[in-house]
Amino acid sequence: DAKTTQPTSMDCAEGRAANLPCNHSTISGNEYVYWYRQIHSQGPQYIIHGLKNNETNEMASLIITEDRKSSTLILPHATLRDTAVYYCIVRSKAAGNKLTFGGGTRVLVKP
Amino acid sequence: GAGVSQSPSNKVTEKGKDVELRCDPISGHTALYWYRQSLGQGLEFLIYFQGNSAPDKSGLPSDRFSAERTGGSVSTLTIQRTQQEDSAVYLCASSLDSSGRDEQFFGPGTRLTVL
Repeated sequence: DAKTTQPTSMDCAEGRAANLPCNHSTISGNEYVYWYRQIHSQGPQYIIHGLKNNETNEMASLIITEDRKSSTLILPHATLRDTAVYYCIVRSKAAGNKLTFGGGTRVLVKP
Repeated sequence: GAGVSQSPSNKVTEKGKDVELRCDPISGHTALYWYRQSLGQGLEFLIYFQGNSAPDKSGLPSDRFSAERTGGSVSTLTIQRTQQEDSAVYLCASSLDSSGRDEQFFGPGTRLTVL
C-alpha cells in the first residue's frame, strides 16, 4: 500500500468545518483512499472512501485532487463527539485487503 | 447480530499462560481480520480469513500466535506462552467480501494484560 502522510494533530471549533489533509504522492491507479476514525477506547469506524471522484455521505465529504496525490476529509459541522484519531489509508486488492494504519491525525474539537 | 462482538472485553493473565480471544463477525460477512493495538500505537495487522481460502498469516508476530475460523463464522485467536510484550488491545473486524472496497466493521476489542 502507498504510504500516507498526515498532520499529527489539529484542533477544530465546535460547529465549524474540519478539514483533514492527507498526502499520498505514491498512490497507484488501482488504489483507493479510505478514511477511518478511532474514538478513545473504541474500535476504528469506517467513514468514507473514494478512487478518483469526490464522495459525500452522511458523515463526511472526501475531496481527492485531480492527480490523486492528496485528499482532504471534510467534517462539515464538527461536534465534540468527533474528537478522535483520523486515519487516511490507501488500499489495493494486491495488499490482500488488510488495512495498514499509520499514525493518523488526532483531532480535538473544542467548544 | 448488530455488529462485531468480541470476548472477553478484558483479560489479565500471567506470563507463560495461554489465552484465547473470541470474535463473532457480522452475520453474512465472509472476510474476518485480526489486528492489535499496543498502548499509544497504531493498529497492526495480524491475520485475515476469506471464505474457504487459506488465511493470510503474514502479520502474525511469532509462532506463539495462531488463529482459526470455524464454519466460516466465529474466530478464535490463540496466544501461547504469553509474554509481557503481548499486552495490547486485540481488535477483530469483518467485511462483506474481499473485493478490497468493502469497509471493515470493527469490534470493541479485547484488552489483554500480561503480568
